[in-house]
Amino acid sequence: GAVVSQHPSWVICKSGTSVKIECRSLDFQATTMFWYRQFPKQSLMLMATSNEGSKATYEQGVEKDKFLINHASLTLSTLTVTSAHPEDSSFYICSARVRNTEETQYFGPGTRLLVL
Amino acid sequence: DAKTTQPPSMDCAEGRAANLPCNHSTISGNEYVYWYRQIHSQGPQYIIHGLKNNETNEMASLIITEDRKSSTLILPHATLRDTAVYYCIVPRTGRRALTFGSGTRLQVQP
Repeated sequence: GAVVSQHPSWVICKSGTSVKIECRSLDFQATTMFWYRQFPKQSLMLMATSNEGSKATYEQGVEKDKFLINHASLTLSTLTVTSAHPEDSSFYICSARVRNTEETQYFGPGTRLLVL
Repeated sequence: DAKTTQPPSMDCAEGRAANLPCNHSTISGNEYVYWYRQIHSQGPQYIIHGLKNNETNEMASLIITEDRKSSTLILPHATLRDTAVYYCIVPRTGRRALTFGSGTRLQVQP
């Protein structure tokens, strides 16, 4: 099946620093990737849609200048949390869409971010 | 995405079949039903999807009613590792991202 990886799996950083999270589709090309965020005891919430070679589309309430998304190739999308604050601590998960009729999505293992 | 309704929690004995229901009465004719699960502290895992016909793969079976207003995910022989939150999702045509509801928390008991 389709495999999506994320790196790092967890990261601890100081408040005010920036953190980059990578999402890779390992055995397929993904023109579209998605970034989700999950707070404790809550469901996944879509943050943005990442399209290869174009600007990302952000959901309402998600600051595009704070969460920078780059989708430079068909297998890699990155999410950079700029000037991270403790309230940005969360579980960040990416997914990639397979280009078949049903457009099935496969998810990465997630990145746990803790901002001190 | 089309609204889906799932019970908040279910228990199942290890080795028994787990039958997880989902109602999606507003589903449109060309919309698929997807099932994912999320094991604690992991990303969601794709299980199965279907349009009209029943589907089976190595993980589970998906039974869709004839009117397509509801479906049942069947794990034929549940194990402790199947303990997870199961999500039934019906993406709207043209909407690429998935909307996750609360899902069903399945607890497999030894």
